[in-house]
Amino acid sequence: EAQVTQNPRYLITVTGKKLTVTCSQNMNHEYMSWYRQDPGLGLRQIYYSMNVEVTDKGDVPEGYKVSRKEKRNFPLILESPSPNQTSLYFCASSPQGAVGYTFGSGTRLTVV
Amino acid sequence: RKEVEQDPGPFNVPEGATVAFNCTYSNSASQSFFWYRQDCRKEPKLLMSVYSSGNEDGRFTAQLNRASQYISLLIRDSKLSDSATYLCVVGLGNYQLIWGAGTKLIIKP
Repeated sequence: EAQVTQNPRYLITVTGKKLTVTCSQNMNHEYMSWYRQDPGLGLRQIYYSMNVEVTDKGDVPEGYKVSRKEKRNFPLILESPSPNQTSLYFCASSPQGAVGYTFGSGTRLTVV
Repeated sequence: RKEVEQDPGPFNVPEGATVAFNCTYSNSASQSFFWYRQDCRKEPKLLMSVYSSGNEDGRFTAQLNRASQYISLLIRDSKLSDSATYLCVVGLGNYQLIWGAGTKLIIKP
């Protein structure tokens, strides 16, 4: 089944404790992206990647890192999480560009 | 002013009724337009693309008005399963999408 898999689905952590949210797709898509979704706001792009070893900042990259060492994986790293990073996070992939996205099921992160 | 604006709702509508949402966008250079559906706490899913000539998919009709910079979605004969949040999305190019915050729709029996 074609899918984007995110883990974990839910995470509660403490301020400053490094964490990684994994994202993997099995569709051989070149384009991958991370979004966060907060109440009253549209999805906001954190980082995106057009191909292996090619990543770029989205609209809200501060406090996040990403890497794209393999085509299928695009982990999101929070080196020192803060409470304002409490949010619902989505990973998405597409064959090319930001059209025709397949989304992962989301990761609900709470930083206390 | 938000780049893509939607009435947050909720719209409470009886089953079988027709409901319409509008969405306005601020960037006249916008090139592509979409409606996504998002069920509570789940990922967004593409409902339909919106074309200049308007397009229909079953009970759903989407319209685009470039002059006034708004997009609409019409749902006819609404079903309980249509209850969701509807996200208006505008594309500025191949790699940039601007998302509205969504309109919540509740269909009541």
